[in-house]
Amino acid sequence: GEDVEQSLFLSVREGDSSVINCTYTDSSSTYLYWYKQEPGAGLQLLTYIFSNMDMKQDQRLTVLLNKKDKHLSLRIADTQTGDSAIYFCAEADSWGKLQFGAGTQVVVTP
Amino acid sequence: DVKVTQSSRYLVKRTGEKVFLECVQDMDHENMFWYRQDPGLGLRLIYFSYDVKMKEKGDIPEGYSVSREKKERFSLILESASTNQTSMYLCASSPLWRGTSGNTIYFGEGSWLTVV
Repeated sequence: GEDVEQSLFLSVREGDSSVINCTYTDSSSTYLYWYKQEPGAGLQLLTYIFSNMDMKQDQRLTVLLNKKDKHLSLRIADTQTGDSAIYFCAEADSWGKLQFGAGTQVVVTP
Repeated sequence: DVKVTQSSRYLVKRTGEKVFLECVQDMDHENMFWYRQDPGLGLRLIYFSYDVKMKEKGDIPEGYSVSREKKERFSLILESASTNQTSMYLCASSPLWRGTSGNTIYFGEGSWLTVV
């Protein structure tokens, strides 16, 4: 399958903005997703963006898509301790099959 | 709210046992998926199904089979469990992909399987 890459760890102070980056390789991807996983839990769908868009905002979350560079980012404004989790970037093909990155562990410090 | 329910959260099985992992969704979704999650590897697709009795192999189908006799239920079967199948298994479902609709994919809470 195609590779999706993301950095493994991010430390951020409470109240600051977090930016998690992701690169993907399949130019035919239809949708790109961000999921959140808390310890011992399943995946919670945070947001997604259709491949013909370049930005999507949803409350504290902003997704930016640079299709030319195949780069996706998730910005979390006013990061809270409850935002500590693993964040997965994923790209979907035309069947809805997802290719995931390895996940970014976000640690929010007081 | 969409609900994807995995019947077992934690299982411990012996090598060579046959293992069934069950997943049920309540939103009449056509697509269902089984993923495996391992640290540092993210999630990898084992099998998916886009209709009753239909199945397609994913990236890592070896050692697994699936069954979809009813639309709402998708079972993952380990015919003879091995220690390298110790992992977290996640089920997902989505509506049929149609252009710009059907774009939401929901996951269950996961099943932690330990094979000893």
